[in-house]
Amino acid sequence: AQKVTQAQTEISVVEKEDVTLDCVYETRDTTYYLFWYKQPPSGELVFLIRRNSFDEQNEISGRYSWNFQKSTSSFNFTITASQVVDSAVYFCALSGSSGGSYIPTFGRGTSLIVHP
Amino acid sequence: DSGVTQTPKHLITATGQRVTLRCSPRSGDLSVYWYQQSLDQGLQFLIQYYNGEERAKGNILERFSAQQFPDLHSELNLSSLELGDSALYFCASSAIGSPRGTEAFFGQGTRLTVV
Repeated sequence: AQKVTQAQTEISVVEKEDVTLDCVYETRDTTYYLFWYKQPPSGELVFLIRRNSFDEQNEISGRYSWNFQKSTSSFNFTITASQVVDSAVYFCALSGSSGGSYIPTFGRGTSLIVHP
Repeated sequence: DSGVTQTPKHLITATGQRVTLRCSPRSGDLSVYWYQQSLDQGLQFLIQYYNGEERAKGNILERFSAQQFPDLHSELNLSSLELGDSALYFCASSAIGSPRGTEAFFGQGTRLTVV
């Protein structure tokens, strides 16, 4: 079975602060994929990034960066210089290759509130 | 725009009724997933179809059923509705089995309210 834990239920920051959202996962699959999704107040789920289990290279996209560490089973997401538009619920997800289904399992989400 | 289309966006119905939620996946995606999002349960996987065949089942109630048609669109049928079925229902599609990647792209969801 696979499991994703997002221990932070809610984070509140002031605009321009950096913020890191934590994600810890469990899986028995040797090949798996990790994802982050954003759910703004409008409700849709927006895909942000995918990471393969065999690629531990960190990634940066503008103000967003992701730190994947297999040794600690973590896939953390950092927003630099946060903005009010970053306010949303962020979900970490995991899908494994067993059975060929690749079903994403989601964490409970972290609600990020960015105050002006 | 994810490319996944769900209809309707909102649905209000009475207890005991039956509703059908519809999903059109991204062009070329063979895999469709259905999820239920409620405040207390988070995002729960219900069922997956791949190219018309049921591939995996999650926490889907017996009152719920789904199918995927030859044109790859999918429908989720919810019957004998209860107040507790009120939730946001998402459809997602992915290109698993192709080089396009395994990430799932989600539709805007159908907000179901049972009164």
